[in-house]
Amino acid sequence: AQSVTQLGSHVSVSEGALVLLRCNYSSSVPPYLFWYVQYPNQGLQLLLKYTTGATLVKGINGFEAEFKKSETSFHLTKPSAHMSDAAEYFCAVSESGGSNYKLTFGKGTLLTVNP
Amino acid sequence: DGGITQSPKYLFRKEGQNVTLSCEQNLNHDAMYWYRQDPGQGLRLIYYSQIVNDFQKGDIAEGYSVSREKKESFPLTVTSAQKNPTAFYLCASSPAWNTEAFFGQGTRLTVV
Repeated sequence: AQSVTQLGSHVSVSEGALVLLRCNYSSSVPPYLFWYVQYPNQGLQLLLKYTTGATLVKGINGFEAEFKKSETSFHLTKPSAHMSDAAEYFCAVSESGGSNYKLTFGKGTLLTVNP
Repeated sequence: DGGITQSPKYLFRKEGQNVTLSCEQNLNHDAMYWYRQDPGQGLRLIYYSQIVNDFQKGDIAEGYSVSREKKESFPLTVTSAQKNPTAFYLCASSPAWNTEAFFGQGTRLTVV
């Protein structure tokens, strides 16, 4: 079984500060990992993904995440927060291989950016 | 433009009535999914379909039904058996297994 834990349901940062959103996962097979962003009353948009290869993944809007197998983590970072980054962020995991697809989401982290 | 269209955006129904949420995609994706989103709960998988005329239950299928008669369409029916249907419903599709899912804009269902 796979699962995702996002530490902190709400993170607040100042504009220009580092953004760090934490995600830990469990998976019985090598995982595929994703970060999505959701603005109010909208669908989810993919920020970045890890499947294989380089463990540091760069995404849109200046975000990046690093896959650390030993820590079962996939934390999302951005060096300098913008007001437009205020949104809810979801980490998700799927299991590589197999015949059944299932994308499991964390409960989300709401990011607030203060001026 | 290619994408996923969910309609309507807002839907109100009386308790005890069945209601069908529409999801159409023109991305030529094989796989389609329905998720339910409640505050603080993340996204929970209701049903998914890998191919036309085939679908599987997700984690919270009770009280819901789906069909996949066409590749482009994956409607979700919320039946009167669903005890707490008020939620935000998201449809998604993906081109193949273990690739990222593309989401529609969602339908907010309120049952009164």
